Amino acid sequence: QQPVQSPQAVILREGEDAVINCSSSKALYSVHWYRQKHGEAPVFLMILLKGGEQKGHEKISASFNEKKQQSSLYLTASQLSYSGTYFCGTDKGSASKIIFGSGTRLSIRP
Amino acid sequence: DTAVSQTPKYLVTQMGNDKSIKCEQNLGHDTMYWYKQDSKKFLKIMFSYNNKELIINETVPNRFSPKSPDKAHLNLHINSLELGDSAVYFCASSQGTGRTFGGELFFGEGSRLTVL
Repeated sequence: QQPVQSPQAVILREGEDAVINCSSSKALYSVHWYRQKHGEAPVFLMILLKGGEQKGHEKISASFNEKKQQSSLYLTASQLSYSGTYFCGTDKGSASKIIFGSGTRLSIRP
Repeated sequence: DTAVSQTPKYLVTQMGNDKSIKCEQNLGHDTMYWYKQDSKKFLKIMFSYNNKELIINETVPNRFSPKSPDKAHLNLHINSLELGDSAVYFCASSQGTGRTFGGELFFGEGSRLTVL
């Protein structure tokens, strides 16, 4: 039931791009993306609702393919501030809960 | 003002003790949650309340008892603490439930529980 995230960890140099994937074995109503910095609470990035939309947030964007039950988070021209652990969360719409994936640790080096 | 606040931020206690964590949100949200984040960083939902009513209990041991005196507060009481209870507990809130859910989760800063 827990969505599967890949890769588990990514190391980038500042300015490089990254893609984080999230897939589910169940039909989804929405996909959420959060970023958690070390020692802090997860912070909301964006929600993608059923409909295959794509969203953007500065240089961070995401897509949601409801047929494949997959979402991808795209980070372009990464900045040091992008470091942290990224979680996707899935919502099947039948209950008010988000189930989170195991996270992808992103490290950005100068 | 902090949107979702938890107290205490740190608890260190012995096995077998009982402890409570309090959570308050000033966002006017209808739904509040407790999530547990273990040492491997897995964020697992424990409970969800909507307008003081329990709507999700994710097969959590009955040593854990949430209480919501009103929709702005959700407390967590843990009896007979075990080593495996050591984790960071996050409170969160959102607007909406079920099919109306689609709102973001606002997390508190977390309460780090260490059981010795």
